[in-house]
Amino acid sequence: EVQLVESGGGLVQPGGSLRLSCAASGFTFNNSWMTWARQAPGKGPEWVAIIKGDGSAKTYVDSVKGRFTISRDNAKNSLSLQMDSLRAEDTAIYYCILGTGMVWGQGTLVTVSA
Amino acid sequence: DVVMTQSPLSLPVTLGQPASISCRSGQSLVHSDGNTYLIWFHQRPGQSPRRLISQVSNRESGVPDRFSGSGSGTDFTLKISRVEAEDVGVYYCMQDTHWPFTFGPGTKVDIK
Repeated sequence: EVQLVESGGGLVQPGGSLRLSCAASGFTFNNSWMTWARQAPGKGPEWVAIIKGDGSAKTYVDSVKGRFTISRDNAKNSLSLQMDSLRAEDTAIYYCILGTGMVWGQGTLVTVSA
Repeated sequence: DVVMTQSPLSLPVTLGQPASISCRSGQSLVHSDGNTYLIWFHQRPGQSPRRLISQVSNRESGVPDRFSGSGSGTDFTLKISRVEAEDVGVYYCMQDTHWPFTFGPGTKVDIK
């Protein structure tokens, strides 16, 4: 069974940083594109970043470019999202996703507030 | 970015009756590889989205056959042949042809 378990969310002040992690199991991680998406309270989802299986290709939505970094450790079946210079509008549940939506984790809440 | 629209945004349904949701994209979703990458998700309150259909009409394993997807180019439809109580929630279409992938605003389905 495919499992994706996110961690690392929490409350952070504007301008601060957080690192999200996702532990993956049940599939061949190093062959799989992986994605981070987010969903602000009461809103629809938004794609944030995607990374190729071997880590050689990464793409970001414009609103996070230069502030967020997606990475992976295939030896540990782990996906990460480093979030810097956080803004109030980054407040959302962040989901780790296999491919383009095949399986979603349960999400981790990030709140950016003073 | 490709703008996705959905209609209706709210859909009260009667149990056992059919339901239909429309999704339109601001540009063609036909990829250079010839495939059309349009996904339908279902999200129940308090849960993560679940992929129902990919590439317009391919139902995911375990998805009941009362769900079907159709369409081409810029116009797509999700149909539920007979609505059941577990089908309530929000349905999103999403295109994964052009980066950034973009979602529609969602259609909230509830029981009359």
